[in-house]
Amino acid sequence: DTGVSQNPRHKITKRGQNVTFRCDPISEHNRLYWYRQTLGQGPEFLTYFQNEAQLEKSRLLSDRFSAERPKGSFSTLEIQRTEQGDSAMYLCASSMSYGYTFGSGTRLTVV
Amino acid sequence: AQSVTQLDSQVPVFEEAPVELRCNYSSSVSVYLFWYVQYPNQGLQLLLKYLSGSTLVKGINGFEAEFNKSQTSFHLRKPSVHISDTAEYFCAVSDSTNAGKSTFGDGTTLTVKP
Repeated sequence: DTGVSQNPRHKITKRGQNVTFRCDPISEHNRLYWYRQTLGQGPEFLTYFQNEAQLEKSRLLSDRFSAERPKGSFSTLEIQRTEQGDSAMYLCASSMSYGYTFGSGTRLTVV
Repeated sequence: AQSVTQLDSQVPVFEEAPVELRCNYSSSVSVYLFWYVQYPNQGLQLLLKYLSGSTLVKGINGFEAEFNKSQTSFHLRKPSVHISDTAEYFCAVSDSTNAGKSTFGDGTTLTVKP
């Protein structure tokens, strides 16, 4: 068990570019979550999967955000046409029951 | 929908003193409650959770929390803190009928001074 792995750790991109993040959950965990965290705030829910099915997506989430979890394994989060307001730490977590195991996050900076 | 309020954004305390980090929640349904800790430059780690049963739950590193349904609170306590407990602590709530998202508070920064 190597924990939840997120790549890349850091990403700097120009406004308007597309970015994609990857999350590899703990292999036996069937649930996978994406959260966003900005300075001074707690993690904010974005979306979650049970196996390969995306069961919930935040209503606050722009259509520029999309996530996939093909075959119920790793997951990707894509942000299209990035904006400066997208700068944040993007967290992935997985679980089998209640309570998450978090990855270390991907820090996105949009310049 | 659920919400979480962590009543103190920063808590300074001297080493070996007791500490309480306060968390109140709001929900129209039964809830599960969690505390996570984030040490400097590390990811969030589950500290403890309340699902059912005894309202006093014990977690890692000597922390415990008590679920109080009437006061809708889930305060975190430790009788004697160490320098190494310096971290940010997040309270979270989930709808017990839905194994989906947790809603997090904005965190409490615990600073333990020598």
